[in-house]
Amino acid sequence: QSALTQPASVSGSPGQSITISCTGTSSDVGTYNFVTWYQHHPGKAPKFLIYEVNKRPSGVSDRFSGSKSGNTASLTISGLQAEDEADYYCCSFTTSETFVFGGGTKLTVL
Amino acid sequence: EVQLVESGGGLVQPGGSLRLSCVVSGFTFSGHWMHWVRQAPGKGLEWISRIKHDGSITMYADSVRGRFTISRDNAKNTLYLQMNGLRGEDTAVYYCTTRDWFDHWGQGSLVIVSS
Repeated sequence: QSALTQPASVSGSPGQSITISCTGTSSDVGTYNFVTWYQHHPGKAPKFLIYEVNKRPSGVSDRFSGSKSGNTASLTISGLQAEDEADYYCCSFTTSETFVFGGGTKLTVL
Repeated sequence: EVQLVESGGGLVQPGGSLRLSCVVSGFTFSGHWMHWVRQAPGKGLEWISRIKHDGSITMYADSVRGRFTISRDNAKNTLYLQMNGLRGEDTAVYYCTTRDWFDHWGQGSLVIVSS
């Protein structure tokens, strides 16, 4: 199972919005609405941000939102803040009943 | 508060074995799938294994199938990962995480495979 494809890096200024794409195949993202997103600050445990493509767990800011079209899922962060600077990962369930992560995207807040 | 605490990592020679443990509290451990995810140095997250709530179903990534074994003891709220035939590319921080959403994570246990 190959990793989902994410851009290696994205950047934005405080207050702006950015979108991170996550491209899979018909064996994962394209078939299931079981896409999740995580924020990971190095040295810390990953944080659960989005589940089932566009649902937010309680306690997660509404500045984070998810969507999907075909084989590509996306995470949008609006109103960028300095503390949003981190690595972001998507993940999908697959037709093999396993899971696959994206390669990760480093977000830099300028 | 949900807490997951991994242990058992360390330095091991290629071909060696280690067993990781993950003790879970504040969560209905026996009612949910559990997973192991790892992150090699400078790399991204990699899903490696999952186990059904009653232990009846286990699944593995191709990279570890046949070498790693996931198990659980619901009476002890503990998840395990037995790692045999370790290779340099298994060097990573290993995380346990809850449910198919990976909604709670431990702090990770570092495994270094080196001679």
